[in-house]
Amino acid sequence: QEQLQESGPGLLKPSQTLSLTCTVSSGSISSGSYYWSWIRQPAGKGLEWIGRIYTSGITYYNPSLKSRLTISLDMSKNQFSLKLTSVTAADAAVYYCAREEVYGDYEHWGQGTRVTVSS
Amino acid sequence: DIQMTQSPSSLSAFGGDRVTITCRTSQSVSTYLTWYQQKPGKAPKLLIYGASSLQSGVPSRFRGSGSGTDFTLTISTLQPEDFATYYCQQSFRIPYTFGQGTKLEIK
Repeated sequence: QEQLQESGPGLLKPSQTLSLTCTVSSGSISSGSYYWSWIRQPAGKGLEWIGRIYTSGITYYNPSLKSRLTISLDMSKNQFSLKLTSVTAADAAVYYCAREEVYGDYEHWGQGTRVTVSS
Repeated sequence: DIQMTQSPSSLSAFGGDRVTITCRTSQSVSTYLTWYQQKPGKAPKLLIYGASSLQSGVPSRFRGSGSGTDFTLTISTLQPEDFATYYCQQSFRIPYTFGQGTKLEIK
């Protein structure tokens, strides 16, 4: 059973850079042909797809975030990461990492990490 | 982006009832449609993928149907653990998009 765990600072000031890491256990991130994704959910609201990275390093980003977003892979640590620059209050959310399956569905999720943006 | 419209946005039902949630997409997504269940403070749980395929371990009272732009999730014989929020998601085109959610509450 794949397990994913997000980590990163929970509180940021506006204009700072959000950096989150997802550690994948129970399997190597480089084995299999998977996309590794980030999804977020503002408090009390719905889900927003942020972007994904393939094991080859190819990335796909939500155009709404593309100018501020970088997703990267560290196979030596079995991790993938998200960097979002110039955060505002609109970026406050629970951030989930997840593994994308064949149909673009998500069976395996992290437990989520809450990010607050406040001065 | 492909727009997702779920209805209703909230729903009250009794245990034992049968309920249907619909998801409409702004353009065809073939059968690249997934349904999730989410409970407070938890990550979404995959229920149905490929519009109608039941995820392993999910009870058979959950059924998904549809293709193109119109999809339904039906829960027959509601159980206490089914009261939650349900989301649809399309994976036909990037960016993937989700419905706004349907909150299923106990009447």
